Amino acid sequence: DGGITQSPKYLFRKEGQNVTLSCEQNLNHDAMYWYRQDPGQGLRLIYYSQIVNDFQKGDIAEGYSVSREKKESFPLTVTSAQKNPTAFYLCASSLGPGYNSPLHFGNGTRLTVT
Amino acid sequence: GNSVTQMEGPVTLSEEAFLTINCTYTATGYPSLFWYVQYPGEGLQLLLKATKADDKGSNKGFEATYRKETTSFHLEKGSVQVSDSAVYFCALTSGVINTGTASKLTFGTGTRLQVTL
Repeated sequence: DGGITQSPKYLFRKEGQNVTLSCEQNLNHDAMYWYRQDPGQGLRLIYYSQIVNDFQKGDIAEGYSVSREKKESFPLTVTSAQKNPTAFYLCASSLGPGYNSPLHFGNGTRLTVT
Repeated sequence: GNSVTQMEGPVTLSEEAFLTINCTYTATGYPSLFWYVQYPGEGLQLLLKATKADDKGSNKGFEATYRKETTSFHLEKGSVQVSDSAVYFCALTSGVINTGTASKLTFGTGTRLQVTL
C-alpha cells in the first residue's frame, strides 16, 4: 500500500542533543512537508520541499534543518537550538502541482526532550 | 495573512445527534478550503474539500459548503456515530496560484468531537 512512513513513533532525547526524525513516502509525490502539532495550536509548518535538493522554510523553521536528497525521503533534524522541541511532528506529501492538492499525512512522531 | 478560526472544543454529542463544527477564515484571493480529521494516535486524513465559492464538499456523511459571503466552511453531519470521535481541522490554501508543487496550508486549531452511546 502506498503511504507515508514516519519513524519512530515515540522518541526520547536529552536536552542539548540533536535528533533526526525519519519520513519516507512511496506515493511518488513531488512535495513534502514537516508540521509541528502542539495542544491548542493546530499545525504549524516547519519546512517544505517541492523537489529534490530544494526546500524552503515554513513559519517556524528556527532550530530545525531538513534535507531532500531523494524524492522519497525528507528527514527532519531537531537541533539543540530549538528552544521547545517537545511536540508531535507530522510529515506530509502532496502530488502537486498547484495550491489545492490535498496533503497525505504520516502517523507522526512524538518527540519528548527532557 | 491567512487565518482559520474554529469553534472551541470539545464538542460532546450523543450518537445519532446532528453535528455542526463552525469554521471561518480570512484570506487573500480565492482560497481552497479543506476539512481534515485526526483519529487518536494518527496523522491527519483529508475528509472533504471545496475549491470555489458555493461548492459543497462531502464524504462519509459529512458536508461543508464554501460560503464566500460569510467566509465560512462549516462542517455538518446529520447523524454522528461513536466512530466519528476525533479531532477535526479546518484548513485553507492560498488563493494565489502556486506554480510550484507545494500546497501551503493554514490550519485552524482543531475541534475535538466526542460521541457517546
